[in-house]
Amino acid sequence: GAGVSQTPSNKVTEKGKYVELRCDPISGHTALYWYRQSLGQGPEFLIYFQGTGAADDSGLPNDRFFAVRPEGSVSTLKIQRTERGDSAVYLCASSLNRAETQYFGPGTRLLVL
Amino acid sequence: DAKTTQPPSMDCAEGRAANLPCNHSTISGNEYVYWYRQIHSQGPQYIIHGLKNNETNEMASLIITEDRKSSTLILPHATLRDTAVYYCIVRELGGSEKLVFGKGTKLTVNP
Repeated sequence: GAGVSQTPSNKVTEKGKYVELRCDPISGHTALYWYRQSLGQGPEFLIYFQGTGAADDSGLPNDRFFAVRPEGSVSTLKIQRTERGDSAVYLCASSLNRAETQYFGPGTRLLVL
Repeated sequence: DAKTTQPPSMDCAEGRAANLPCNHSTISGNEYVYWYRQIHSQGPQYIIHGLKNNETNEMASLIITEDRKSSTLILPHATLRDTAVYYCIVRELGGSEKLVFGKGTKLTVNP
């Protein structure tokens, strides 16, 4: 079946701009996770949704980052006033429920110039 | 911080078994050991996980020591496509469920 999909696959923006990154989880998966991966590092947790609600947003670096999952399926990660340090690969994962294995999408490569 | 320690890199000859070690000396009773791998420019791929018994699936085998302080991921017949960064992760179920990645082991399979 279809895996986790993320769009766009690549995004180039200018410092100060607003960006939205989209994640489509595996159908029927109630849990959804966002991670960020900088060059040469392992992925770092950002936020976790169970259904429509953010159950753990402890990894969001500051209030420029926000994520939503209004209908409990697709999620959007929003970054305001982007900075060059936001450049990274943003990964989304989903799992059937919170205790199950997480499956990752291919990621969105964000470059802030 | 990651609760696991892995060698930064390893090499393996194509067709031979690749044995990737992981130390997790502070693991607690309700924590599982998960393995993922990440091939260049792709998202992490789930491989296998276990609690205390050895596990095997179509991709790999996971051997966990009796004291659970270390484990080994075994790829029985490595191919060039197995070249990737392999992450060993300790995951607490019932907590926040987030995966805490370290830097992993870069496995290079040589022809």
